[in-house]
Amino acid sequence: GENVEQHPSTLSVQEGDSAVIKCTYSDSASNYFPWYKQELGKRPQLIIDIRSNVGEKKDQRIAVTLNKTAKHFSLHITETQPEDSAVYFCAAIKAAGNKLTFGGGTRVLVKP
Amino acid sequence: EAGVTQSPTHLIKTRGQQATLRCSPISGHTSVYWYQQALGLGLQFLLWYDEGEERNRGNFPPRFSGRQFPNYSSELNVNALELEDSALYLCASSLDVYRDSSYEQYFGPGTRLTVT
Repeated sequence: GENVEQHPSTLSVQEGDSAVIKCTYSDSASNYFPWYKQELGKRPQLIIDIRSNVGEKKDQRIAVTLNKTAKHFSLHITETQPEDSAVYFCAAIKAAGNKLTFGGGTRVLVKP
Repeated sequence: EAGVTQSPTHLIKTRGQQATLRCSPISGHTSVYWYQQALGLGLQFLLWYDEGEERNRGNFPPRFSGRQFPNYSSELNVNALELEDSALYLCASSLDVYRDSSYEQYFGPGTRLTVT
């Protein structure tokens, strides 16, 4: 089955700096890659996603890149703010089965 | 637009009992998914329901079961509760992936199940 690995597990950055989280997946049939942000005690919130026919997608301060050949994708957060502090999860899904396989999560702390 | 809702917020049960968790999807969504978020173990896929049918199942024992009702709401049942079943159970919903080519899953706030 699909396996998604996520690094780093924790990330501490100064406010205003950039943060990068990387994920690798094992199943080349995976074709949709969402990122979720989960604040303490709250639900996972879909913040950005990318499909396998796209190499990069940007939404304001966040961007996701996908390298299908290497089977890895990354989340980039620029100009980090304290409210970006949360746990971020990457995930992958195949065309069929509709089962999200999640990475282990990255705890991001933005220090003011 | 109302998001995914779940009830109850918290549930405390003793080992061996049964737990029933409920989920109402976003209006217009036909697929419902259940995930388990145990401490330190991330999010694990449990079940996927679409149009009242179980479409996929994760690596969980048969005592985890559920169903989807005609109004697309769903219920997760956990029988013969064990201590390690203590976790946050999250429900998500999506549009019909086959009809709408939509993969986006939106999560509810979860039910915190504690087994003592």
